[in-house]
Amino acid sequence: DAMVIQNPRYQVTQFGKPVTLSCSQTLNHNVMYWYQQKSSQAPKLLFHYYDKDFNNEADTPDNFQSRRPNTSFCFLDIRSPGLGDAAMYLCATSKGGEKDDNEQFFGPGTRLTVL
Amino acid sequence: SQQGEEDPQALSIQEGENATMNCSYKTSINNLQWYRQNSGRGLVHLILIRSNEREKHSGRLRVTLDTSKKSSSLLITASRAADTASYFCAMEGSNYKLTFGKGTLLTVNP
Repeated sequence: DAMVIQNPRYQVTQFGKPVTLSCSQTLNHNVMYWYQQKSSQAPKLLFHYYDKDFNNEADTPDNFQSRRPNTSFCFLDIRSPGLGDAAMYLCATSKGGEKDDNEQFFGPGTRLTVL
Repeated sequence: SQQGEEDPQALSIQEGENATMNCSYKTSINNLQWYRQNSGRGLVHLILIRSNEREKHSGRLRVTLDTSKKSSSLLITASRAADTASYFCAMEGSNYKLTFGKGTLLTVNP
C-alpha cells in the first residue's frame, strides 16, 4: 500500500546530542512537510519541500535542518536538542497539484524524548 | 496569524448522539480541511471543502463553510465509540501550507 513511513517511531536522545529523524513515501508526491506537535497542541509546520525547493517557516529555530535527497526521502536533523524539543514529529506529503485539492497524508510520527 | 480556533476544546457524548465541532479562522483560504488524530498517532484526512463550496458530505460527516463569517463546522452523526479522537481543522493558504486549529478532543462513551 502507498504510504508515508517514519523511522524510528520512538527516539531517545541526550541534551545536545544530534539526532536525525527520517521519512519516506511511496506516494510519489511532490511536497513533503515536517511538523512538530507538542502534547495537546496543534501540529506546527517547521518547513516543507516542493520537489527540491525548500521552504522554511520564519519561526523555525536554526537548530532544525532538513534534507530531501530524492523524491522519496526527507530527513529532519536536530543539531543540538534541548529539553523543549521533546515532541511528536510528523512527516506528511501532498501531491502539490491543484491548490483546491491538496490533502496531506501523514506518517505515524516519531516521538522524541530528550534526556 | 492564520491559526484557527476550535470550539469546543473538549466534547463528551454518548454513542449514537451527534457531535458538532466549530472552527474559525482569520484570513482568506483556498480550502479548509478536517483531520482526525487518534492518541499518539499521525493525522488522517477526513474531508476537504473548497472556498467556493458551502456544504459537503462524506458518510456520517457533514462539513459546512461560511467564508463571510470565516467559520466551518464538522458534524459527525450517529457517533460510535471508535470516533473518539482529536479533530483538527486546517486552513490551506498559499504555497501548499496548512495551518491547523487547536483541535477538539471528542470522547464518545459506549
